[in-house]
Amino acid sequence: ETGVTQTPRHLVMGMTNKKSLKCEQHLGHNAMYWYKQSAKKPLELMFVYSLEERVENNSVPSRFSPECPNSSHLFLHLHTLQPEDSALYLCASSQRAGDWGGYTFGSGTRLTVV
Amino acid sequence: LAKTTQPISMDSYEGQEVNITCSHNNIATNDYITWYQQFPSQGPRFIIQGYKTKVTNEVASLFIPADRKSSTLSLPRVSLSDTAVYYCLVGEVRKLIFGQGTELSVKP
Repeated sequence: ETGVTQTPRHLVMGMTNKKSLKCEQHLGHNAMYWYKQSAKKPLELMFVYSLEERVENNSVPSRFSPECPNSSHLFLHLHTLQPEDSALYLCASSQRAGDWGGYTFGSGTRLTVV
Repeated sequence: LAKTTQPISMDSYEGQEVNITCSHNNIATNDYITWYQQFPSQGPRFIIQGYKTKVTNEVASLFIPADRKSSTLSLPRVSLSDTAVYYCLVGEVRKLIFGQGTELSVKP
């Protein structure tokens, strides 16, 4: 356990479903991130939140909708996804945005869109 | 953001020392060099960070020459459990951007 908990670990959803991924950290960090990792590809940064404010949206399609209700929780709401959205979705946190040596990642949610 | 170049893959045997070199020719004065490790189906894990010369911790050593245009991650006496992807990152920006990394395979 790294201190960043992601649920669920695995998710299978149809293209018309709506689901949410949850990330929780109790490390006292002020920045949280969503990354996407497709098979055999580098991690892609999706969103960055600093002190609950979104500071980065890396040209992510609107079918992905992040929510950061407080500094300990981060959600990724999913709707009308495509099969190519199947990937490992990773959440990370750090004391502050850009603290490269202090990023803590969760174990990810393996998403399969059918 | 400085571009980094690493070998795509490396093979090693248990007990050997493994050195993974990363090139970053356009590194800026304020940039740090950071290495992460990722096992399959897990998130990356911080290994080591340095600015110049040599840094050592309980996991690895990081060698940085005076010109800082490259760096070498050294893993002493690797075991099978060190099989993973190793990422070199350079920069001082608000977001952590990963490249392809080096896929290290340790064989018995």
